[in-house]
Amino acid sequence: GAVVSQHPSRVICKSGTSVKIECRSLDFQATTMFWYRQFPKQSLMLMATSNEGSKATYEQGVEKDKFLINHASLTLSTLTVTSAHPEDSSFYICSARDQGTGTEAFFGQGTRLTVV
Amino acid sequence: AQRVTQPEKLLSVFKGAPVELKCNYSYSGSPELFWYVQYSRQRLQLLLRHISRESIKGFTADLNKGETSFHLKKPFAQEEDSAMYYCALRGTGTASKLTFGTGTRLQVTL
Repeated sequence: GAVVSQHPSRVICKSGTSVKIECRSLDFQATTMFWYRQFPKQSLMLMATSNEGSKATYEQGVEKDKFLINHASLTLSTLTVTSAHPEDSSFYICSARDQGTGTEAFFGQGTRLTVV
Repeated sequence: AQRVTQPEKLLSVFKGAPVELKCNYSYSGSPELFWYVQYSRQRLQLLLRHISRESIKGFTADLNKGETSFHLKKPFAQEEDSAMYYCALRGTGTASKLTFGTGTRLQVTL
């Protein structure tokens, strides 16, 4: 079945550095992927919608220059957290739609980012 | 604005007892409602959609537009049902996005 693979699952970085998170669709093409952020004991909050071959659509309040999204191919979207700070520490999750139903059915395993 | 409310953070039931996970929503149009589940140490996965009117793993959910609810139900809880459950809403239109509730942890005990 269709799987979304997210890498890395955990990353610790120093304040001021950048971190790249990859989201790959395995065995299917994802023209649209979604990036979420989840704080402890809170819900998933949509950060941006990643569209293959075009610019990402960011939700209100999400800094475009801070969270760079690239969707250069039909199977890969990347989220780069630039100049990371401790407040960026969170759980980041990507997802893709089932093209047949249009439902967000496939989620990555998530990335735990800790900025020290 | 679209909003999803799951009033219970934790629901603890005995094995074999009925389960009802509550979900209420706020949306001005005709939404699509979903239930997602996350088992321990696993990724989030789609459980069911209101459109398909299906029963998955014994769970069902009926969209009640009058009460703006989409409660998840199962007549007899199993231990393996213990997980985090998220209700989600998607609005209509090309710019639609998923809005998740805060989730309810279901704990099924012997």
